[in-house]
Amino acid sequence: EDQVTQSPEALRLQEGESSSLNCSYTVSGLRGLFWYRQDPGKGPEFLFTLYSAGEEKEKERLKATLTKKESFLHITAPKPEDSATYLCAVHSTSGTYKYIFGTGTRLKVLA
Amino acid sequence: SAVISQKPSRDICQRGTSLTIQCQVDSQVTMMFWYRQQPGQSLTLIATANQGSEATYESGFVIDKFPISRPNLTFSTLTVSNMSPEDSSIYLCSVLHTGYEQYFGPGTRLTVT
Repeated sequence: EDQVTQSPEALRLQEGESSSLNCSYTVSGLRGLFWYRQDPGKGPEFLFTLYSAGEEKEKERLKATLTKKESFLHITAPKPEDSATYLCAVHSTSGTYKYIFGTGTRLKVLA
Repeated sequence: SAVISQKPSRDICQRGTSLTIQCQVDSQVTMMFWYRQQPGQSLTLIATANQGSEATYESGFVIDKFPISRPNLTFSTLTVSNMSPEDSSIYLCSVLHTGYEQYFGPGTRLTVT
């Protein structure tokens, strides 16, 4: 069964304190892994797509990496405005367009 | 990316009534999806809506409870029928954009009393 696990559930960082969020996945075949940011009361905002092991994507203070079993979202020198829930989702090669979402990491960056 | 709007943004409804949520996209898309996000939880797919065909529902969701319309390539509706407090959630529509990327609307926050 396809499965996505994110850790930690919650993370508190001081402004400027870099860290990483983890997304472990089990799928029959990976078509894509996606990272989203979700602010309270809003829909998920698309950040990155990763398709194959070794791939990396960057956007401002965020960098996403992918291995055959997990993905990391690295946050470098975070700011308070980076506070949000970060969601990971996978799309398997099972033949449908269904995403499997993790439960997210709630990030709080303190000034 | 696609720009997606939803109406209403929030509503408070009485148990036993129905609510129809609208999803509008600024470009033509083939596939649209409806998700539910219960408080403190992640997203669960309700159904996939393709224009010109019946919606495909995920396990645990049925058409009588969540009827979906997809009259054209830019619009869809989800109705939550005969509501109970357990239906209190955020309902999100999304569209399949380039490749396999999904873009989400802002969500509809539903509270059932």
